[in-house]
Amino acid sequence: GENVEQHPSTLSVQEGDSAVIKCTYSDSASNYFPWYKQELGKGPQLIIDIRSNVGEKKDQRIAVTLNKTAKHFSLHITETQPEDSAVYFCAAPTHSGSARQLTFGSGTQLTVLP
Amino acid sequence: SAVISQKPSRDICQRGTSLTIQCQVDSQVTMMFWYRQQPGQSLTLIATANQGSEATYESGFVIDKFPISRPNLTFSTLTVSNMSPEDSSIYLCSVEIPPGGAFFGQGTRLTVV
Repeated sequence: GENVEQHPSTLSVQEGDSAVIKCTYSDSASNYFPWYKQELGKGPQLIIDIRSNVGEKKDQRIAVTLNKTAKHFSLHITETQPEDSAVYFCAAPTHSGSARQLTFGSGTQLTVLP
Repeated sequence: SAVISQKPSRDICQRGTSLTIQCQVDSQVTMMFWYRQQPGQSLTLIATANQGSEATYESGFVIDKFPISRPNLTFSTLTVSNMSPEDSSIYLCSVEIPPGGAFFGQGTRLTVV
C-alpha cells in the first residue's frame, strides 16, 4: 500500500509571506495528489489537486508542484493571510490504479501571524 | 463538489454501546468512503461502501466492529459497535465526484466515556 510522509508538522509564517509544505509518497504508480485544508471542527476541504501528467498547477494564491521521479509533491501558498491558518493534509491513492481511496499525510498545522 | 450531510455532528456515548452515523449526499455516487480521525491525528480509511454489496474494509478494521450499510446511491451508515474510549474519534464520510476529487462531510465527533 501507499505510504505518505508530510513535513513540517508545524509551520508559522508572517502574514504576507509564503508557506511551503512537502510530501513524499512510495507507490510510483500513484497518479493523483490532492491537498486538503481542515479548520477546527470541520471536515477536510479539497483546495487543490494535481494529476501525474502535469508538473504544476495554480489556483490564485495556491500552487502544487509534482516531481514524479523523486516521488514528492509540494503545496505553495503565497501572500498568506490569517484565514489560511489551518491544518493541511496531502494525500495519495491508497491502492494502485484507483484515485478513490486515499492515504493521508500526517498533517501540517499552519499558523499565519498577523 | 457535493453537499454531504452527516448525523449526528457529535455524541457522547457510554462504553459498551453502539452508535450509528448517517451520511447523506445530494447526488448519486457509486462509492462512499468512511474515514476515522483520532484526536490530533491524520485520517485513516476504514472501508469503502458500495451499493448492493458488502463493504470493503481496510487492514485493521473489521465488519463486526464497524458494520456499514449502503441501501441506495445517496446514503450510507457506519455503526461503531461495542464502543470503548479508544473509539473516541471524528468519523468522516467521503464521496468521489467525477472528474476527480474526494469530498468530505463535516464529520461526527464521538466521545466514549
